Amino acid sequence: GDQVEQSPSALSLHEGTGSALRCNFTTTMRAVQWFRKNSRGSLINLFYLASGTKENGRLKSAFDSKERYSTLHIRDAQLEDSGTYFCAGFNVGDNSKLIWGLGTSLVVNP
Amino acid sequence: GPKVLQIPSHQIIDMGQMVTLNCDPVSNHLYFYWYKQILGQQMEFLVNFYNGKVMEKSKLFKDQFSVERPDGSYFTLKIQPTALEDSAVYFCASSWGRRSYEQYFGPGTRLTVL
Repeated sequence: GDQVEQSPSALSLHEGTGSALRCNFTTTMRAVQWFRKNSRGSLINLFYLASGTKENGRLKSAFDSKERYSTLHIRDAQLEDSGTYFCAGFNVGDNSKLIWGLGTSLVVNP
Repeated sequence: GPKVLQIPSHQIIDMGQMVTLNCDPVSNHLYFYWYKQILGQQMEFLVNFYNGKVMEKSKLFKDQFSVERPDGSYFTLKIQPTALEDSAVYFCASSWGRRSYEQYFGPGTRLTVL
């Protein structure tokens, strides 16, 4: 079936450093969303992309439908960036529902 | 950003009982969704709903499940009767449009069936 492979599953960063999270898709996606689940369990919308790149503060995301991947770059990580990051895609063939990855658990340490 | 609310945050019930999960979607959104996440697994689509009707449902949306939004009030997911395998976190979402429109999620209701 359709799958979203998210990596890494867990990540630890020191404050001020950065890294990249990645999602590989086994099928062609029309668009992708990135979320962060915070300590209270709320899913916060970070990005919605149908193509190209978007940037918001210290976060930047890219989506390549043809190559079947999306990335989320975090720079200058802060303690409040800790949480679980999810990507989810809209399948080209059935694009009314999101297909989810398992998430990346990020811990930012002082 | 736009907020989706879910009530209750946690519900514990005995197997065979009925349960109703409530969702208050973003006010101007037209499409509503339920997703299910079992501990340790990815979130999975259950159903979407528009203009008083179920538009699509997955194989996870069993006959014991039903959804409605009477008179623009809460969008609800009812399970009757519940089974042990219904234990999961249920997330409500809403969007302005259906095909590839950005979806906004509530914090989930953790359902425990004993």
